[in-house]
Amino acid sequence: SQTIHQWPATLVQPVGSPLSLECTVEGTSNPNLYWYRQAAGRGLQLLFYSVGIGQISSEVPQNLSASRPQDRQFILSSKKLLLSDSGFYLCAWTGNERETQYFGPGTRLLVL
Amino acid sequence: GENVEQHPSTLSVQEGDSAVIKCTYSDSASNYFPWYKQELGKGPQLIIDIRSNVGEKKDQRIAVTLNKTAKHFSLHITETQPEDSAVYFCAALFPLRDYKLSFGAGTTVTVRA
Repeated sequence: SQTIHQWPATLVQPVGSPLSLECTVEGTSNPNLYWYRQAAGRGLQLLFYSVGIGQISSEVPQNLSASRPQDRQFILSSKKLLLSDSGFYLCAWTGNERETQYFGPGTRLLVL
Repeated sequence: GENVEQHPSTLSVQEGDSAVIKCTYSDSASNYFPWYKQELGKGPQLIIDIRSNVGEKKDQRIAVTLNKTAKHFSLHITETQPEDSAVYFCAALFPLRDYKLSFGAGTTVTVRA
């Protein structure tokens, strides 16, 4: 069966520090991968998605970037964090049918 | 457009009563409509979905209805229990936009014991 992992689960970082969040999927190949951000009490904002290795599409201009160095690995990064980067970051994947998105457990990021 | 509107934003029901959440979408090309349940501090979990060739789907206490003509779909939870308390999100798939999902803003459901 397929599983999706995210780490770390929680992260507290100072403003201006770098960021690296990792997402990996097991039990499937060539998934579509997605990064979402969820502000406290709010909905899901799509940040990036990838349909293959090295292929990244950005949805909104921001302080973040994404990379997909391997088929089942998706990384969210920042060179210098802002206070507004705080939130709950969710990774998701879809299979070949490209319909149902399955979410990971999320990373809670607090920038101070 | 890719808008999905979801109502209400909050819903409080007595245990045992039914809960209904409604969503509308704007893109007639949308053909897949999932519903997610998100508990505090966790990622959203798929609870039920419906495709455009079906008008209704049921899974135990949960049912979803779809009206393609009116472009709206609804989640129905019957015999609500305290563990149904969570935030629920509807979504619509946009196959012409790289198969991206557009989510509603969410409904916070509280089931009173």
